[in-house]
Amino acid sequence: SAVISQKPSRDICQRGTSLTIQCQVDSQVTMMFWYRQQPGQSLTLIATANQGSEATYESGFVIDKFPISRPNLTFSTLTVSNMSPEDSSIYLCSVFRDTGELFFGEGSRLTVL
Amino acid sequence: LAKTTQPISMDSYEGQEVNITCSHNNIATNDYITWYQQFPSQGPRFIIQGYKTKVTNEVASLFIPADRKSSTLSLPRVSLSDTAVYYCLGSGGSYIPTFGRGTSLIVHP
Repeated sequence: SAVISQKPSRDICQRGTSLTIQCQVDSQVTMMFWYRQQPGQSLTLIATANQGSEATYESGFVIDKFPISRPNLTFSTLTVSNMSPEDSSIYLCSVFRDTGELFFGEGSRLTVL
Repeated sequence: LAKTTQPISMDSYEGQEVNITCSHNNIATNDYITWYQQFPSQGPRFIIQGYKTKVTNEVASLFIPADRKSSTLSLPRVSLSDTAVYYCLGSGGSYIPTFGRGTSLIVHP
């Protein structure tokens, strides 16, 4: 089974700053997915991170606001840039297992003041 | 993308069987139907997956009719710890796992 660790688990940030969230998987995976979950809401897919190519962003999300890196098959970062209180959410990374199950990290809870 | 529709919330009592139905009219031919459970402050956790007919594991059963336009997650004899949000999604074929609104299940003593 894939084990995913995310850092930081939570953070409190000031408006206008940026924060980078790291996601480490214990096995090589082709695609890594980044989600946002706002308070009381479902998960919204931000982008798919592919190793060796640009991330694929979903409608409503842009690279300037959420730059993603994928330097190898076990690691990815998501940066939330120029934060505002509306960016306060839980950010989760996930990967597919061989069986088709999605595994999730524990999430990074971000509060923007 | 397989768009899913579920009831927003359900209430039950300990010891009862709970059935949560999900509609996915445009599911792709090669998509599996997968259900996840999410507790507060945790990432979603896999419960069960199926393609058609019935699948059962130690946690739940999944019923999928022949037309695959809906599926029903069945939780036998729920307990208070089953209070969570339950999501269904079609995934695998399209490789873009998209979550619907989910069903918030509250189990009462």
